Amino acid sequence: AQSVTQLGSHVSVSEGALVLLRCNYSSSVPPYLFWYVQYPNQGLQLLLKYTTGATLVKGINGFEAEFKKSETSFHLTKPSAHMSDAAEYFCAVSLGGSNTGKLIFGQGTTLQVKP
Amino acid sequence: DAGVIQSPRHEVTEMGQEVTLRCKPISGHDYLFWYRQTMMRGLELLIYFNNNVPIDDSGMPEDRFSAKMPNASFSTLKIQPSEPRDSAVYFCASSSRQKMNTEAFFGQGTRLTVV
Repeated sequence: AQSVTQLGSHVSVSEGALVLLRCNYSSSVPPYLFWYVQYPNQGLQLLLKYTTGATLVKGINGFEAEFKKSETSFHLTKPSAHMSDAAEYFCAVSLGGSNTGKLIFGQGTTLQVKP
Repeated sequence: DAGVIQSPRHEVTEMGQEVTLRCKPISGHDYLFWYRQTMMRGLELLIYFNNNVPIDDSGMPEDRFSAKMPNASFSTLKIQPSEPRDSAVYFCASSSRQKMNTEAFFGQGTRLTVV
């Protein structure tokens, strides 16, 4: 069975500060991991994904995440927050292969960026 | 590509009425997924199709829910009769088996309100 836990339902940072959104997963097989972002009244947009290979993955809008198998973590970071980063962020895990769309999501973290 | 297209974007209906949500996946994608997003349960997979065939409907909450995919470019999610607790945002997503390890692409969602 697979599961995802996002630590902190709300995170608030100042503009220009480091963004760190935490995600831990549980999976009995090598996981495929994703971060999606959802802006108000919008669908989910992929930020980045880890499937195989390099454990540090870079995504859009300056975000990156590192897969740490020993810690079962896939935390999302961005060096300097921008006002436009305010949104809800979802970490998700799947079985991979042809099942990458069969996702199990975390509960989401709302990122607030203060001026 | 226009992306995954869902209609309507918003639906308000009275309890007991039939509701039909529609989805057009990205052309060439052979997997289609229906997700539901609520405050209480977050994002959960309802059902998914491969090559128009339902593969896993274990997430469908009740017999009042049904989904069809009559062809590769169209799917429906029907609720009959609808109840207030069905109020949620319903997302459709699609992905391609031809591109292993690719992600699922989400539509903008349908916000359903049952009064």
